[in-house]
Amino acid sequence: RKEVEQDPGPFNVPEGATVAFNCTYSNSASQSFFWYRQDCRKEPKLLMSVYSSGNEDGRFTAQLNRASQYISLLIRDSKLSDSATYLCVFAGGYQKVTFGTGTKLQVIP
Amino acid sequence: DAGVIQSPRHEVTEMGQEVTLRCKPISGHNSLFWYRQTMMRGLELLIYFNNNVPIDDSGMPEDRFSAKMPNASFSTLKIQPSEPRDSAVYFCASSPGPQGTQYFGPGTRLLVL
Repeated sequence: RKEVEQDPGPFNVPEGATVAFNCTYSNSASQSFFWYRQDCRKEPKLLMSVYSSGNEDGRFTAQLNRASQYISLLIRDSKLSDSATYLCVFAGGYQKVTFGTGTKLQVIP
Repeated sequence: DAGVIQSPRHEVTEMGQEVTLRCKPISGHNSLFWYRQTMMRGLELLIYFNNNVPIDDSGMPEDRFSAKMPNASFSTLKIQPSEPRDSAVYFCASSPGPQGTQYFGPGTRLLVL
């Protein structure tokens, strides 16, 4: 099983739609979880951390399911500016940081 | 705050040449990471330093790659000799600690002909 599995997409959704991505991890020692966003030809930037109890930042909601070893990102009321690649990140297990390969989101007018 | 600074931003070189990529982390950050990103393989961690000491270099592809961090404010990634398959975007990132939020530089786009 790969360390991190992420659906590459692309997810093509209309403006205003709700979209969700999942990301599974195999290292049960993972301790820290993040979602990063990467725009085309730019560097990845932190979108939000993922906490055990779940957390929300505006239209974005992140959740962690330790039992099934996955994290999720929910985007409500999608905007054109949300179009990007979303990378899940896991840290832990001998201090190793692992990035997923990214899920591409395209929000369509 | 200047953020993570990388140079050069673009590099085109011929196979066999030596390539040196440079990174200045955010002041006060103790961890520094070098990544390589390609369409085929995504973002790969090459090596990371904590307090200037290399902690994990298991991602370094082969002996042609080497990285140094002589002080807290500077790191280099060297490829010698370079090969066409090394063409990629190389990112440097820094964080307050090994598992903290990583802040990425703008990357160096390397093309080896």
